[in-house]
Amino acid sequence: NAGVTQTPKFQVLKTGQSMTLQCAQDMNHEYMSWYRQDPGMGLRLIHYSVGAGITDQGEVPNGYNVSRSTTEDFPLRLLSAAPSQTSVYFCASSLGTGAGELFFGEGSRLTVL
Amino acid sequence: QQQVKQSPQSLIVQKGGISIINCAYENTAFDYFPWYQQFPGKGPALLIAIRPDVSEKKEGRFTISFNKSAKQFSLHIMDSQPGDSATYFCAASHGGYQKVTFGTGTKLQVIP
Repeated sequence: NAGVTQTPKFQVLKTGQSMTLQCAQDMNHEYMSWYRQDPGMGLRLIHYSVGAGITDQGEVPNGYNVSRSTTEDFPLRLLSAAPSQTSVYFCASSLGTGAGELFFGEGSRLTVL
Repeated sequence: QQQVKQSPQSLIVQKGGISIINCAYENTAFDYFPWYQQFPGKGPALLIAIRPDVSEKKEGRFTISFNKSAKQFSLHIMDSQPGDSATYFCAASHGGYQKVTFGTGTKLQVIP
């Protein structure tokens, strides 16, 4: 059972570089989301999607872009990386769009120099 | 604006003791309150959840107590074990809507 798979696990970028964090789930979940985790700040929602072709902003969307062309994949793009984007990023999915269990990936640790 | 406030930030409990983590929320539209457990290097995983139509929910050694009038809820871990050492997040969402707001987390250490 793969569940939610995130790649890469670790990445170091220089300021201004762009990159994409990949997220894939094999559970046919409708809902997918991206969170960032920072010390003392918990998990903050960046972007989310309630189905293929539908995305919306969360609490901290600036500097990030997403798309959802398939049910399985929900990549997160950093357009021009900044040191403030140094964080651990988690992708999460759930079966429906209503309240229920979120299934998380193991995270991607990003450092921006 | 912190919609879900969690305390304490860290907690040390002896093996066999009771661990208590508290959360308070502001948005009265919240109607689903899960707790997630996270081990180092892993993603959070659902531990237990409650809806506001009940005041308490118990699953094994883990109990959620919910006080709707005070807009507070708490996690109690009975007979705490070293294997319970992890970071715990309370959370809330509303309206059958999956945008979950998390607390800031509590790092629990259970010492032998």
